Amino acid sequence: QQPVQSPQAVILREGEDAVINCSSSKALYSVHWYRQKHGEAPVFLMILLKGGEQKGHEKISASFNEKKQQSSLYLTASQLSYSGTYFCGTERGGSNYKLTFGKGTLLTVNP
Amino acid sequence: DTEVTQTPKHLVMGMTNKKSLKCEQHMGHRAMYWYKQKAKKPPELMFVYSYEKLSINESVPSRFSPECPNSSLLNLHLHALQPEDSALYLCASSQSVLRRESYEQYFGPGTRLTVT
Repeated sequence: QQPVQSPQAVILREGEDAVINCSSSKALYSVHWYRQKHGEAPVFLMILLKGGEQKGHEKISASFNEKKQQSSLYLTASQLSYSGTYFCGTERGGSNYKLTFGKGTLLTVNP
Repeated sequence: DTEVTQTPKHLVMGMTNKKSLKCEQHMGHRAMYWYKQKAKKPPELMFVYSYEKLSINESVPSRFSPECPNSSLLNLHLHALQPEDSALYLCASSQSVLRRESYEQYFGPGTRLTVT
């Protein structure tokens, strides 16, 4: 079942902050976050696991509320390079590592 | 080296053609994936290989035939495709698909396929 991402799009000025949300109606084992720039491959940002473990880039922060099955990606002091489409991918327990991606959030950072 | 390579970058084929997409990684990853991505849509999982064996087939039509000759290579054989199969085909790899572990996926740049 596809997770729901919000907002669909956000426009920032350089230096501003943004939060991207991802929610599921099913119990999740993990949430992955990827960024894809136009014409490029998705790039891994963060994994948040049931139980609280996180793996990812130092400059990226995210949270996973297991009770609500919601994850949020926090982008602070945004830079021009943050522009792109952000996808969350959710994995359910016992799914043999099948990731289902949300529809994506288009982030545009302007000077 | 954290690179996944895919060839060709672009492919145009007729509905009666047979072609193959190739993906390669040298990170020692034991899980490899094929995704299909339409414009402005998220990647959709097609196949997962774990330790060179097909682990997941997301009810993909038989005109798409995956193959994993060894742990570094993944092929996608295409035959009698339809115009609606035109899309970006992404390959990815990850360390493993063991249960109770979750690993990041490394994506290749994709092959942009056009079916005429």
